[in-house]
Formats: sequence, structure tokens, C-alpha cells
Amino acid sequence: GQNIDQPTEMTATEGAIVQINCTYQTSGFNGLFWYQQHAGEAPTFLSYNVLDGLEEKGRFSSFLSRSKGYSYLLLKELQMKDSASYLCAVRDPYNNNDMRFGAGTRLTVKP
Amino acid sequence: DTGVSQDPRHKITKRGQNVTFRCDPISEHNRLYWYRQTLGQGPEFLTYFQNEAQLEKSRLLSDRFSAERPKGSFSTLEIQRTEQGDSAMYLCASSQFSGDTGELFFGEGSRLTVL
Repeated sequence: GQNIDQPTEMTATEGAIVQINCTYQTSGFNGLFWYQQHAGEAPTFLSYNVLDGLEEKGRFSSFLSRSKGYSYLLLKELQMKDSASYLCAVRDPYNNNDMRFGAGTRLTVKP
Repeated sequence: DTGVSQDPRHKITKRGQNVTFRCDPISEHNRLYWYRQTLGQGPEFLTYFQNEAQLEKSRLLSDRFSAERPKGSFSTLEIQRTEQGDSAMYLCASSQFSGDTGELFFGEGSRLTVL
């Protein structure tokens, strides 16, 4: 089976740093993705990790540990517009390389 | 290219009716995915195509659901004899899996309400 787990909700303050965790158990692994989804809109791609370590893209960074089945998304200098759902997704080569999503973490940024 | 487009954006139907959604992917993408998303949940995988071949179907895809991608370009998702539990956002996504990240590009979705 496949499990991708994330916290349901998080709240943080504007200007702060927040870390959103994701753990996964899949048959295989061929990359982990983070997507951002604002309410009523389509998900948009944020980051991709396939090797262990930290990938940094501006205010957003994503970390992967394949041995632990663990990733996190780090958001720095939070802005109000960062209020959204953050979806963790894993690509599984034992399932035709298709992408499976977690339920998402709804982040609320407060002033 | 303007990205992935889906039509219609909203559909309200009565229980028992058939509905069809269309997805036009990014033109150079060879993979096309259908997902279903309900409020507060992540996208649930339904099926996907590589070119015109349907490579996988989820167990969520009952016999009432059928998807096609006849010429390897646009795709349709048909739901027959709709039920209230079919009410959801149906998301289409495309990707070009060619050794790069292969991230998905999503359309805006087709929201279905079954009365």
C-alpha cells in the first residue's frame, strides 16, 4: 500500500519560518514533489527532490531523507499570500511512475 | 501555449445523468492524468495516459467512469449514471516525463455538483 502523511493544519505569523513535514511509505520511490494550492485553484509546482539533502529556491526549501521516508518544506519570511494548502506527492516507479498525493497541509499565515 | 485547459469549469447535474469533461493538455506533453479532489483532501489519482495508451486505472474508477485519449492529445472523462458521491473537483494534469523532474501541470479543474 501507499501512505503519504502530512499534518492537516498549521498556523504561523507573517515574517516567521514554518516547516511542513511529510512522511511516506510507497512501493518504490522516484522523486518527491511539493505543490502549493490556493483555495479554489489548481495545484502549482514548488519543488522536487530525488536525492537526499536540501534544495533551496528563494524563500522555499525542501529536504529529503530517503532512508527515513521523510521530507519537509521550509517557508521563510512568511507572507500573507503564502496562506494555502501544501501538498506532498511521491512518484512511484512500481506504479507506472504515477504521482500520489498526501491530503495536504492547510497553512494559515496571520499578521 | 496557454497551459492545461479543462471544460466545463462547472457542471451541475441531477443524479442519474451522464456528464463528460474534456481536458486539453500542454501540447508537447505525452502524459495526461485525471485526479479527483474533494474539500480538504489532496488529489486522488483516477487514471493516466501515456500518449493514447491508458496505463493505469485506480480502483476508485468504477465501471461508471471511462476515460479516453483517442489521438494522444485531448482527453475526455465520462461519468455515467452520476451519484451524489461523485460531486468533486475533477483535475486534469499533464507532464513530459523525459528524465527531467516530470512535474505535473494542472488545469483549473471541472467542478461537478450532483443534486
